[in-house]
Amino acid sequence: GESVGLHLPTLSVQEGDNSIINCAYSNSASDYFIWYKQESGKGPQFIIDIRSNMDKRQGQRVTVLLNKTVKHLSLQIAATQPGDSAVYFCAEMAPSGNTPLVFGKGTRLSVIA
Amino acid sequence: DGGITQSPKYLFRKEGQNVTLSCEQNLNHDAMYWYRQDPGQGLRLIYYSQIVNDFQKGDIAEGYSVSREKKESFPLTVTSAQKNPTAFYLCASSIGTRYQETQYFGPGTRLLVL
Repeated sequence: GESVGLHLPTLSVQEGDNSIINCAYSNSASDYFIWYKQESGKGPQFIIDIRSNMDKRQGQRVTVLLNKTVKHLSLQIAATQPGDSAVYFCAEMAPSGNTPLVFGKGTRLSVIA
Repeated sequence: DGGITQSPKYLFRKEGQNVTLSCEQNLNHDAMYWYRQDPGQGLRLIYYSQIVNDFQKGDIAEGYSVSREKKESFPLTVTSAQKNPTAFYLCASSIGTRYQETQYFGPGTRLLVL
């Protein structure tokens, strides 16, 4: 399939291990954050979101952690599977009106079977 | 099925030609967005629309135009003024109200220059 990113940071993990993908966001006023997963040649798929009044949120096999002090967001994937191989993007939104999301550059996750 | 559709999946443009990318949603979302994605980069916002008959420029609007005549449709025209149009184009929509900002994406259109 087509590549969505030739020079992205890459994280390689063994199947069954836990993955941690990190994201540094830019705007200290941002109060809403989303993680997306993008498989090759496809549109981004929503994974999980979190608001700034929380520091942790869990979904199915995924956990998002928010550290507002250092403007850091992380996505943890438990028991990583081959189907988790994709590019992962974080996105942030500031509270001033319905401003569009601002996306990070992405991290490629490669799962080794 | 509810969702966002983009067509065509692949589009070829000749020099000096305008081409239009289609984006349709049946989610009853008020807001729609167009992004451009190049290898090694994240998504860059081209245009967005929060309501019918209104739209705003994003970060890289030069060489592009849009219209929003219907709630469900937000076509993007890549004009001849866009000198480097080869990219993957993504359309998204959201409910558009505060605390309903999650954007949902279509499958994308890959534009290539002949």
